[in-house]
Amino acid sequence: QQQVKQSPQSLIVQKGGIPIINCAYENTAFDYFPWYQQFPGKGPALLIAIRPDVSEKKEGRFTISFNKSAKQFSLHIMDSQPGDSATYFCAASWSSARQLTFGSGTQLTVLP
Amino acid sequence: GAGVSQSPRYKVTKRGQDVTLRCDPISSHATLYWYQQALGQGPEFLTYFNYEAQPDKSGLPSDRFSAERPEGSISTLTIQRTEQRDSAMYRCASSLGRNTDTQYFGPGTRLTVL
Repeated sequence: QQQVKQSPQSLIVQKGGIPIINCAYENTAFDYFPWYQQFPGKGPALLIAIRPDVSEKKEGRFTISFNKSAKQFSLHIMDSQPGDSATYFCAASWSSARQLTFGSGTQLTVLP
Repeated sequence: GAGVSQSPRYKVTKRGQDVTLRCDPISSHATLYWYQQALGQGPEFLTYFNYEAQPDKSGLPSDRFSAERPEGSISTLTIQRTEQRDSAMYRCASSLGRNTDTQYFGPGTRLTVL
């Protein structure tokens, strides 16, 4: 059962563009929503995370927007750079459990 | 250590053989997770440890899969009688131990079952 659905599967933008990656979840018990960035040959690394008590969180060029009623959250990358080219995973978990439920990933390519 | 390490990085085995994968978490971390990642997919939870206790192994796909963390540090994941469908990247992650804090992932072990 896929509890976190992620789209698009791949995304190509020009340098300076604003790629947006979307995720939707089903389990209303989820209360922690991180985004992970993964470069080839490396493990996923935490990029930014949000809890459902806020609708937006910014860290540098990365912003999470969260819509609790729609059960959706998204990642926006401002002024994207070729170095941002990576696979991005959204995830979710809830307090009573420790494991993360991941989306299927988005392969982002930022063209120079 | 500086980060989570896993060994071997690559493992090729024949169907029916047993394999053991190793994870060395960040030294101060109480909680250790195992995930399975199929090509083109996100990691899927297998099991986790809080020190040496294993409170949840609900994600293990069959009784051929088992994991240990006997001294609360290094962990091993063993797959008995491997099948081709077990081919995947196996990732280990560790965290300090509080609920929903950051999980730090290792580079993974790529398992190929011929």
